[in-house]
Amino acid sequence: AQSVAQPEDQVNVAEGNPLTVKCTYSVSGNPYLFWYVQYPNRGLQFLLKYITGDNLVKGSYGFEAEFNKSQTSFHLKKPSALVSDSALYFCAVRDSHGAGNMLTFGGGTRLMVKP
Amino acid sequence: GAGVSQSPSNKVTEKGKDVELRCDPISGHTALYWYRQSLGQGLEFLIYFQGNSAPDKSGLPSDRFSAERTGGSVSTLTIQRTQQEDSAVYLCASSLRQEAFFGQGTRLTVV
Repeated sequence: AQSVAQPEDQVNVAEGNPLTVKCTYSVSGNPYLFWYVQYPNRGLQFLLKYITGDNLVKGSYGFEAEFNKSQTSFHLKKPSALVSDSALYFCAVRDSHGAGNMLTFGGGTRLMVKP
Repeated sequence: GAGVSQSPSNKVTEKGKDVELRCDPISGHTALYWYRQSLGQGLEFLIYFQGNSAPDKSGLPSDRFSAERTGGSVSTLTIQRTQQEDSAVYLCASSLRQEAFFGQGTRLTVV
């Protein structure tokens, strides 16, 4: 069975500092990996994905994520945090093999960026 | 349509009543998910439809919850005999091969 772990319930960072939100995964085959963001009272928005190719993927709002196969991780990063980045972030994985594999989400990490 | 559409956006119901929540996925998307999210919390998986395969109902919390997907498109989540603990935002998502796209959700309040 596939799974996703987001080990931090909350991450606090000062505005202008770099941020990292951690994600590790487990799948039997090769992973498709995703990050979503949820702003207060809003739905989930897709941020970025890793399918194949470069391990560093870039997404919306200046976010990027690094796929590390040996560590089975897909951490979300941003060089300089903004107060407006404060939101709930979800990592997700699906197995690339087979058309019927569902998306599995982590428990979410709340990012708080303080001025 | 351009995105996943859910209706109603808000629903207030009396304890013990039945409710139906609707999801219109993105046209052509074969996969459809229902999740539940309590205030500011994580996503609780409810049910997953993929094409013509039998749905994965493993996340449904009780037999009061059921869902169907007609013609491989629109889905309805039904909650019978609602309880106060059913109050939450119910999110629907659809997917083709890679990422899923979410609707804005239905906020259900049971009073």
